[in-house]
Amino acid sequence: AQSVAQPEDQVNVAEGNPLTVKCTYSVSGNPYLFWYVQYPNRGLQFLLKYITGDNLVKGSYGFEAEFNKSQTSFHLKKPSALVSDSALYFCAVRDQRSGAGSYQLTFGKGTKLSVIP
Amino acid sequence: NAGVTQTPKFRVLKTGQSMTLLCAQDMNHEYMYWYRQDPGMGLRLIHYSVGEGTTAKGEVPDGYNVSRLKKQNFLLGLESAAPSQTSVYFCASIGQFGYGYTFGSGTRLTVV
Repeated sequence: AQSVAQPEDQVNVAEGNPLTVKCTYSVSGNPYLFWYVQYPNRGLQFLLKYITGDNLVKGSYGFEAEFNKSQTSFHLKKPSALVSDSALYFCAVRDQRSGAGSYQLTFGKGTKLSVIP
Repeated sequence: NAGVTQTPKFRVLKTGQSMTLLCAQDMNHEYMYWYRQDPGMGLRLIHYSVGEGTTAKGEVPDGYNVSRLKKQNFLLGLESAAPSQTSVYFCASIGQFGYGYTFGSGTRLTVV
């Protein structure tokens, strides 16, 4: 079984400050990890993914995430938050093994990020 | 443009009515999924398919049926809608050598 925990329902940060959205995961094999963003009344947009290699992954809109295998974490970060970053963020995990879990992604419950002007 | 298309985008049903949500993808993906999104619950898997003619249950399958008669289409049916099925439904697909999903834009369903 695979699972994702996003321990914070909401994160508030002042514009211009760094932001972190936390994610921890559990999976039997090695993980593929993803971050998606959802703006109000919209679908899910892909931000970034970790497949293998460098533990620091860079994605869209200046976001990055750090994979930490020992802590089973994949926290999303941005050096300087913008008001337009306010949205709902989802972390997701999938087992790397070919065909494992029928390629299902398991999602966290989401973290609402509010950037305050 | 290549991608995943969901129809309809919005629907209001009365309790007990039936309906079918259509998901169509033009990327020749083998795997397709239906999720529901509810506040504070994230995305939960309803049913999925690993290929034409095959379907399987996900985390929350009760009250739903699915069919995948053609590789590009994955249908989600509600035989007798209940207010608890008020939700936003997302379809997603992935190819055999892919990593992450391609999502549809969602269907907002309200059951009154």
